[in-house]
Amino acid sequence: AQTVTQSQPEMSVQEAETVTLSCTYDTSENNYYLFWYKQPPSRQMILVIRQEAYKQQNATENRFSVNFQKAAKSFSLKISDSQLGDTAMYFCAPRGGSQGNLIFGKGTKLSVKP
Amino acid sequence: NAGVTQTPKFQVLKTGQSMTLQCAQDMNHEYMSWYRQDPGMGLRLIHYSVGAGITDQGEVPNGYNVSRSTTEDFPLRLLSAAPSQTSVYFCASLIFQGGTEAFFGQGTRLTVV
Repeated sequence: AQTVTQSQPEMSVQEAETVTLSCTYDTSENNYYLFWYKQPPSRQMILVIRQEAYKQQNATENRFSVNFQKAAKSFSLKISDSQLGDTAMYFCAPRGGSQGNLIFGKGTKLSVKP
Repeated sequence: NAGVTQTPKFQVLKTGQSMTLQCAQDMNHEYMSWYRQDPGMGLRLIHYSVGAGITDQGEVPNGYNVSRSTTEDFPLRLLSAAPSQTSVYFCASLIFQGGTEAFFGQGTRLTVV
């Protein structure tokens, strides 16, 4: 079964600085996808970024980028120029290509301080 | 386009009561799922469905029933609520094949007293 480890239960960062959230996973799939979701206090689940495992290039979405190390099964999220609105829980979630199940890590609570 | 509609948003039940959490999507997604979110535990998969008439168990299925009679709807039933089922519940849908993301409902905060 897939397992996902987010080793940082809580983190804080000063506004405008950069922070990296870590995620490691275990999967037997060869073709899979990886997602980071953000959950602000509103409880809504919001997609932050997506990576396809067969692509070597790391995904980037504005201030958000990933460092995807397939051999190490590592998928970290970097947030540049942190903003107060980035304060949220962040979940790493691999998805097996053949099954479609999203498996979530336990999350990292990020606080951006002014 | 409403996406995933989940109702109710809040519910309080007494131990032993039954209820159904509703989930509907209008994106014609084959795949739908239910998760529960507990503090420090992330989201854990309860049940999922890969199409009408097909359901399967996830990581924490005990105490919950599901059915999928149409592509659009995937209700979650608690037959006899227990305090251990106090949680936030999320319904999600996505295209079964491919790497598209899951779309989530707004969540239901359920308290069993």
